[in-house]
Amino acid sequence: DGGITQSPKYLFRKEGQNVTLSCEQNLNHDAMYWYRQDPGQGLRLIYYSQIVNDFQKGDIAEGYSVSREKKESFPLTVTSAQKNPTAFYLCASSMDRRTFFSQETQYFGPGTRLLVL
Amino acid sequence: GDSVTQMEGPVTLSEEAFLTINCTYTATGYPSLFWYVQYPGEGLQLLLKATKADDKGSNKGFEATYRKETTSFHLEKGSVQVSDSAVYFCALSDHAGGTSYGKLTFGQGTILTVHP
Repeated sequence: DGGITQSPKYLFRKEGQNVTLSCEQNLNHDAMYWYRQDPGQGLRLIYYSQIVNDFQKGDIAEGYSVSREKKESFPLTVTSAQKNPTAFYLCASSMDRRTFFSQETQYFGPGTRLLVL
Repeated sequence: GDSVTQMEGPVTLSEEAFLTINCTYTATGYPSLFWYVQYPGEGLQLLLKATKADDKGSNKGFEATYRKETTSFHLEKGSVQVSDSAVYFCALSDHAGGTSYGKLTFGQGTILTVHP
């Protein structure tokens, strides 16, 4: 089945520790996105990537880093500089924007809940 | 900048009641509009979308009409079920000038609870 997988489902971070959230898609989508969801708020964009080896900061990139070495993978690292990392993290992907501009649908993974110990 | 405003929640209804969740937006260009649904502990699923004015999106008994004159995209369903209990997000994707990368701007979400 085609889709987006995120792992782990729950992740615990200790003070001063970097942690990496995995996102994999087999939809052959070019674009991938990371969002953060806090209670009572909508989703906020952390980083996005339109193509392999390229990525751009979203609205709340501070304290996070990403890489896009393969089309199907877009891991997110939550660094120790992120002082309030507890949240639900959602990865999404969509087709090539150059074909559909921004009308393409974003497909979401099941999410990773990050908690601080 | 772009923004989406949804009606305050939570919304609590009895089964078979009529549902309306209001959504209004501001955008600089010609946005596409979306409703996503999130079931407890899960990611978001696309419920319906509309890409131009007067389009009606529909799915699973839910409907929403793109109203450019009122900048609205209200979600409706004639008879809700317990299984519709979830969080509903309105979102827009603005492709003004073709510069957008597909960024979605989300409303804050509306929690819907349906009782038997």
